[in-house]
Formats: sequence, C-alpha cells, structure tokens
Amino acid sequence: DTAVSQTPKYLVTQMGNDKSIKCEQNLGHDTMYWYKQDSKKFLKIMFSYNNKELIINETVPNRFSPKSPDKAHLNLHINSLELGDSAVYFCATKGYTGELFFGEGSRLTVL
Amino acid sequence: SQQGEEDPQALSIQEGENATMNCSYKTSINNLQWYRQNSGRGLVHLILIRSNEREKHSGRLRVTLDTSKKSSSLLITASRAADTASYFCATDGKQTSYGKLTFGQGTILTVHP
Repeated sequence: DTAVSQTPKYLVTQMGNDKSIKCEQNLGHDTMYWYKQDSKKFLKIMFSYNNKELIINETVPNRFSPKSPDKAHLNLHINSLELGDSAVYFCATKGYTGELFFGEGSRLTVL
Repeated sequence: SQQGEEDPQALSIQEGENATMNCSYKTSINNLQWYRQNSGRGLVHLILIRSNEREKHSGRLRVTLDTSKKSSSLLITASRAADTASYFCATDGKQTSYGKLTFGQGTILTVHP
C-alpha cells in the first residue's frame, strides 16, 4: 500500500482551465502539506492542514484552494491556470518525529 | 528568503568514494533534516538531527550540525551508483509557522560505476 498517494501523476492542460490534484494518506498522520517544486528543483511550501484545519497558508495566489474533507485527504484545486503554474506539486504528511513523508508528485504542464 | 542552501550544487564521483554535501541556514532551528530525491520521484527522508545534537549516523550516512556556524554536512561513505540522486537539507525554524520545513535547492550527486 502506498503511504501517500497523489493523482494524477501527470496533468497537461491549457491556460485558463481549472484542475484538481488529489492526495490521500494511510499513515494516520494529522498534518498534511502541499509543496511546489519548480524547474530548478526549488521546493516551496504552499499550504498545511492539521486535522482538517488550515494552519499554514503561504503567499499563494487565491487561484489555489486546498480542501481537506477528512484527515486522510488533502486536495488542491487550481483555477484559471497560468503558464507559471507549471511545476511538480508534492503532497506530504508529517510523521511523529517531525519528518515528512512525500507522495510521488503530480507534474502539471500548462500550455 | 530561502533558509537552507546546499553546496556544492552538483557533485560527481566514482563508486566507492565518499560524498560530502554541505548546508547553510540563516535562523535558529529546532532540527535539520536531509532528504533524497531520485529523478522523477518524491523526496525520501534520510535523517533528522536536532539542534542540541552535533552528529548522527545512519548506515553509510553521517550528518553533522554546527549551530554556531549555522551549517550542516551530509557524508555518504563508500558511495554506490544507486546513491545517484538530489539531496536536500530542510530546516524546522524556531520562528516559522507550525511544522513548516524550509528546503534548500539541493545537491545533485552523480556516482559513476
């Protein structure tokens, strides 16, 4: 069983479209994150939820909206996609000693 | 601003050699962590060192932390081709939001067979 799973793995779409990425974890962790990795491999935190509550919201355009329907899921919805949104988006959970468990990533390409 | 910065940006060695990567950071930390990322995959946690620790070992990995210099190093001994990956340091800063880890830009390690 994959501990942190994201879908889809690849997403190619046109500018202006709306898309969602889903994340599910079976580790029982309370805290989940979305990170964005750009083409230079720089990882930047976007959001964090603790037990379905938003606790970190970095300076992210409000076109990005996270949603946590329950403790095991954290989804990311992006409206009006722009070229600069092209990146790899990683979901992660926080373990009991502070380490992060990452999903395999969702590569978004905006044309 | 970016908290952790790795050095070198890229490292190329032969199998069997040791690889050393360095990380510098700017503010006080609770802990510092190292992660590995294979091409096209997610990050995998390697080791966590707390601010009151100076050295930690895990298999072929050795991590040091110097809080006075705000720096850490990751040593991989007897490297293997399978160690080829990007390595990132990440800091859990004392002044940052709950549970926020800030990552450096990584060191790309290539181990030639």
